Amino acid sequence: NAGVMQNPRHLVRRRGQEARLRCSPMKGHSHVYWYRQLPEEGLKFMVYLQKENIIDESGMPKERFSAEFPKEGPSILRIQQVVRGDSAAYFCASSHDLYGYTFGSGTRLTVV
Amino acid sequence: AQKITQTQPGMFVQEKEAVTLDCTYDTSDQSYGLFWYKQPSSGEMIFLIYQGSYDEQNATEGRYSLNFQKARKSANLVISASQLGDSAMYFCAMGGFGNEKLTFGTGTRLTIIP
Repeated sequence: NAGVMQNPRHLVRRRGQEARLRCSPMKGHSHVYWYRQLPEEGLKFMVYLQKENIIDESGMPKERFSAEFPKEGPSILRIQQVVRGDSAAYFCASSHDLYGYTFGSGTRLTVV
Repeated sequence: AQKITQTQPGMFVQEKEAVTLDCTYDTSDQSYGLFWYKQPSSGEMIFLIYQGSYDEQNATEGRYSLNFQKARKSANLVISASQLGDSAMYFCAMGGFGNEKLTFGTGTRLTIIP
């Protein structure tokens, strides 16, 4: 039973480019969460999705960031026109309830 | 709103000694869960232990135990017989049932000294 799969593991983008981060949840999990970890900080919640629905996006920046979890395929976190401050580790987690929370290995985004 | 406070930015502990990492929380939820995660230098988040707010007994997982004191709103992690491989960042987190987003503390960097 594969865990939560995130790719790419590392991503380098120039300022102004788009970054696409992918997350495939664990089999049987219908809830996906995205978190951001800035250097030397804890994880901060960004968005909570279920299939084809955004449930809670209270942690998402108002501009440039979007997330989706389509009926088929992985969840995507999209950052448009990246800036240096977007450099961080982005973690995806999936669950079917609070007990079954599982994190992926994260995507380290570096904006140069 | 939920809040997690970890007041120890860093700790140094002699190998084989026990260590307690502090965590206090604040929430208005009646039902919630408390978690501890380990983040080694490689960066992944490793689940260590979980405590439900209505669990009467403190959770234990091998060398890890959670000292849950509900009235004091504390959920300290105890690691017995520390090992060099325990050196890492440790994060306390909590979540509520129904919308299970987690709120994390700022972490404690634990260094085990040989």
